[in-house]
Amino acid sequence: GAGVSQSPSNKVTEKGKDVELRCDPISGHTALYWYRQSLGQGLEFLIYFQGNSAPDKSGLPSDRFSAERTGGSVSTLTIQRTQQEDSAVYLCASSLVLATPTYEQYFGPGTRLTVT
Amino acid sequence: KQEVTQIPAALSVPEGENLVLNCSFTDSAIYNLQWFRQDPGKGLTSLLLIQSSQREQTSGRLNASLDKSSGRSTLYIAASQPGDSATYLCAVRKDTGRRALTFGSGTRLQVQP
Repeated sequence: GAGVSQSPSNKVTEKGKDVELRCDPISGHTALYWYRQSLGQGLEFLIYFQGNSAPDKSGLPSDRFSAERTGGSVSTLTIQRTQQEDSAVYLCASSLVLATPTYEQYFGPGTRLTVT
Repeated sequence: KQEVTQIPAALSVPEGENLVLNCSFTDSAIYNLQWFRQDPGKGLTSLLLIQSSQREQTSGRLNASLDKSSGRSTLYIAASQPGDSATYLCAVRKDTGRRALTFGSGTRLQVQP
């Protein structure tokens, strides 16, 4: 079946502009995660959604970052007033949460964001 | 705070060699450990997932082991091939609280034909 998809694949924006990144998880996966992969920083957690529960936003680096998940499926990560340090690859992952979950995460191809 | 370390950072081997990638983590209270492969410019592909109650998992030429009490995991690749060239990442999930993965910085593998 279809995997996790993300759009756009590449985004170049000017400093100070807002950007929206989209993630379509695997159908039926109730858990959705956003991560950021920066040069020299490795992969870091940003935010986690699970069903109708309140999201875990503990990884968001500043209040310029926000995310929402509509209808328990598609998620949008929004970065306001982008800064050069926001340049990174933004990865989305989803997992199927069963009665005895493994929480195995499946990743999308990522969105490469470049702030000029 | 959980920290995940991968050794070596980079590895170059001739085709056909068996090799071992190492991963260590500081907090043994994990739910599971996942090994991923990342090709340049691409996302992550899940290779193996080991639950905290398990000792190892196998898939084809790959075998991952877990020693939870000592905070270590190894990924064994048998009869390496040029197509195995990629960055290999290990990641752990805590058994309580935050459900996200904590990643190591990866081992960049190059298999020479």
